[in-house]
Amino acid sequence: QKEVEQDPGPLSVPEGAIVSLNCTYSNSAFQYFMWYRQYSRKGPELLMYTYSSGNKEDGRFTAQVDKSSKYISLFIRDSQPSDSATYLCAKRRGISSNTGKLIFGQGTTLQVKP
Amino acid sequence: DSGVTQTPKHLITATGQRVTLRCSPRSGDLSVYWYQQSLDQGLQFLIQYYNGEERAKGNILERFSAQQFPDLHSELNLSSLELGDSALYFCASSSGLAGETGELFFGEGSRLTVL
Repeated sequence: QKEVEQDPGPLSVPEGAIVSLNCTYSNSAFQYFMWYRQYSRKGPELLMYTYSSGNKEDGRFTAQVDKSSKYISLFIRDSQPSDSATYLCAKRRGISSNTGKLIFGQGTTLQVKP
Repeated sequence: DSGVTQTPKHLITATGQRVTLRCSPRSGDLSVYWYQQSLDQGLQFLIQYYNGEERAKGNILERFSAQQFPDLHSELNLSSLELGDSALYFCASSSGLAGETGELFFGEGSRLTVL
């Protein structure tokens, strides 16, 4: 079993749709959860990070973490063609682990059609 | 632009050969991470260096090795190359050992093709 499971898609939606991207993870020792966005032929870039369970909102993006079920979600409202990219969820241990290494999911490829 | 520079951007070589990938982290960042990205495995952590010392190791093959130099740039050496080593190799950096926000800054990657 992979440490972070993510449906690779591809996911295709019309412009303006609400997008839901999901991951599940194993091992409760991981405390930080992130979403990275990767455009074609580019490196991943941080989109959002969360520490605790609950929701975190940033503009059109909402990250949700449910530690009891080990479930991570990213919602994109009013999706735009410029949101077309691969979205990777990631987890890492706490600061006391003395490493910032991230464990990534497979990534979900999203296409938003005009 | 993340501030992380990787060279070369593209590399084509033959099986059995050896290559070196180079990474310059963002100015001031002490931690360097190497990741391998392939279609079937996704983004896999290879190794982390912090201020010249190995800090964490992932599923890095024995044929691969890395180091971080006093000027903080890092090199990933891949030897006895096999077809399955064809992938995108990313370098990332962060300011500290662990980084509070989990933000790693990624370069644009080195695409390795082994023929």
